[in-house]
Amino acid sequence: QLQLQESGPGLVKPSETLSLTCSVSGGSISSSIDYWVWIRQPPGKGLEWIGNIYSRGRTSSRGSTYYSPSLESRVTISVDTSRNQFSLRLISVTAADTAVYFCARERVIVVGALVHYAMDVWGQGTTVTVSS
Amino acid sequence: EIVMTQSPATLSVSPGESATLSCRASQTLSTNLAWYQQKPGQSPRLLIYGASIRATGVPARFSGSGSGTEFTLTVSSLQSEDFAVYYCQQYNQWPRMFGQGTKVEVK
Repeated sequence: QLQLQESGPGLVKPSETLSLTCSVSGGSISSSIDYWVWIRQPPGKGLEWIGNIYSRGRTSSRGSTYYSPSLESRVTISVDTSRNQFSLRLISVTAADTAVYFCARERVIVVGALVHYAMDVWGQGTTVTVSS
Repeated sequence: EIVMTQSPATLSVSPGESATLSCRASQTLSTNLAWYQQKPGQSPRLLIYGASIRATGVPARFSGSGSGTEFTLTVSSLQSEDFAVYYCQQYNQWPRMFGQGTKVEVK
């Protein structure tokens, strides 16, 4: 059974870089039917999609990525197939980046002629506070 | 980007009753919509994808409907474990977008 586990510093100073890793166990990050996603949730607020990466056996750390337009200038998602993990890097953080950060798998599900995408496995989340 | 709007923000329901949650998209999605449930301190859980397809292990009291821009999640005969926040999310295009959530609380 696939499991995801986020890890990284819980406290980051303003203007510095937030770096988180999601370790994947029980499955391969190189799966051809899976995207790997980062989502965040500020305290007391809703879910915000940050971006995703599609590895599909690529050895390059870049993969194919999509980012939220509101974060695109500051965010990088990369994959390490040798370690079966993917990472989030967010530069120039401010207090507004304080949130619980989740990693998730977005699975491609084919039903008849239709293709669906569902975030069916989530990590437990890790709290990141931006403060001096 | 597609804007997702959920209503109401809060729904007060008695256990055993039904709850109907709405989600509207700013552009047509066909049926490329998912619903998630989140309880306090927990990660979201996938309930529905394809607007109406229940995910593995989701009880039959959860049902989704709709297409295009208007979608509904119905929870019939609410159980104690169903009181939570529910999010709709579109996957018709990137960036993926979530609604702001509907909190289902005990009346």
